[in-house]
Amino acid sequence: DAGVTQSPTHLIKTRGQQVTLRCSPISGHKSVSWYQQVLGQGPQFIFQYYEKEERGRGNFPDRFSARQFPNYSSELNVNALLLGDSALYLCASSPSRRNEQFFGPGTRLTVL
Amino acid sequence: AQKVTQAQTEISVVEKEDVTLDCVYETRDTTYYLFWYKQPPSGELVFLIRRNSFDEQNEISGRYSWNFQKSTSSFNFTITASQVVDSAVYFCALSDLIQGAQKLVFGQGTRLTINP
Repeated sequence: DAGVTQSPTHLIKTRGQQVTLRCSPISGHKSVSWYQQVLGQGPQFIFQYYEKEERGRGNFPDRFSARQFPNYSSELNVNALLLGDSALYLCASSPSRRNEQFFGPGTRLTVL
Repeated sequence: AQKVTQAQTEISVVEKEDVTLDCVYETRDTTYYLFWYKQPPSGELVFLIRRNSFDEQNEISGRYSWNFQKSTSSFNFTITASQVVDSAVYFCALSDLIQGAQKLVFGQGTRLTINP
């Protein structure tokens, strides 16, 4: 079975730009969570989507938004990029809101 | 607030040695889950184990074993007869319910290097 997939693998943007990252969950999984991992630190929860609705949000500004599609794939959008947004963005899927989460390979975003 | 502490930033051992990674957590919840993930250089977090707070039985899976002690709020991970392929960053995580969703609170990670 295919695992969680994310695209693109790497991305370079400049300050002020906007970026969209994509995630496809494991087949049958309805929940997608997004995490930000800054170099040298553990992942930080951004938000979770379940059944196409945002179900929980971490301590991130409104510049971060996402949506979930009918096939349960998800897009993460970040507006007005800052240098501090440079990180590995991880997507995790789970069968429901409270099961173990399986992570994708991540998208490495560099903001110059 | 939920918190996970992995005090060991880096560990380096020689192949075939046993190594234990420490994890201490803080939680206000009576029911929670604890996790260990492995992150190789490729970046993907690989799920290793999930334990329920009511199940304090130690678990063994091949060369991996986990010791959960609620009395000391610890969930330590031991690799027996380490191999070079075990080199990675290991994260301990704690579940936290936020607005009905389960988020994971991660520790800072322990970078494990196994030298041949």
